Amino acid sequence: KNEVEQSPQNLTAQEGEFITINCSYSVGISALHWLQQHPGGGIVSLFMLSSGKKKHGRLIATINIQEKHSSLHITASHPRDSAVYICAVRAHRGSQGNLIFGKGTKLSVKP
Amino acid sequence: NAGVTQTPKFQVLKTGQSMTLQCAQDMNHNSMYWYRQDPGMGLRLIYYSASEGTTDKGEVPNGYNVSRLNKREFSLRLESAAPSQTSVYFCASRGGTGGQESNTEAFFGQGTRLTVV
Repeated sequence: KNEVEQSPQNLTAQEGEFITINCSYSVGISALHWLQQHPGGGIVSLFMLSSGKKKHGRLIATINIQEKHSSLHITASHPRDSAVYICAVRAHRGSQGNLIFGKGTKLSVKP
Repeated sequence: NAGVTQTPKFQVLKTGQSMTLQCAQDMNHNSMYWYRQDPGMGLRLIYYSASEGTTDKGEVPNGYNVSRLNKREFSLRLESAAPSQTSVYFCASRGGTGGQESNTEAFFGQGTRLTVV
């Protein structure tokens, strides 16, 4: 079983819809990251959080440490939000800040 | 404002050839990482370097070597490329030391798409 599970694997939405991507993990963590990867492009960090909630523009990330679960929400989705969204955790075990990655959620927003 | 710079962006190798992927960061970060990304899998750690002069194996180190030339640069070498090393490679860096990396963001390069035929 993967230590970081994301759902759904693929998501298609209409422009304007509210989107939620989920991430569950099975290890103790010190931080969780949400990353964005555009087709053919690099990886960009969206959020790093260890508790509560963070908001940046139309993106909101929440984490529940007790339930070992995080969600990434996109409000008023737009075609430019189409990308792969990756959840990654910094586990308590292991060393040197290595991250454990989920497989990603591929989001496609149709105009 | 470069962040993490990887070269080359694309590379095709024949089986048995060698090559070095270059990575440099200008953020004065201590920790640097090399990952590979394969279809249907999450990024997997190949090697990492916690500071200049130190390197350690990650999850999938076989067939690779690394060099932390200085604080800025961390290179990944394939001595004898194999088709199983066809992948997209990412270099990343983080600040902080002594376990404080958990409090810092990770920055990634644009990736190197490597095909071994």
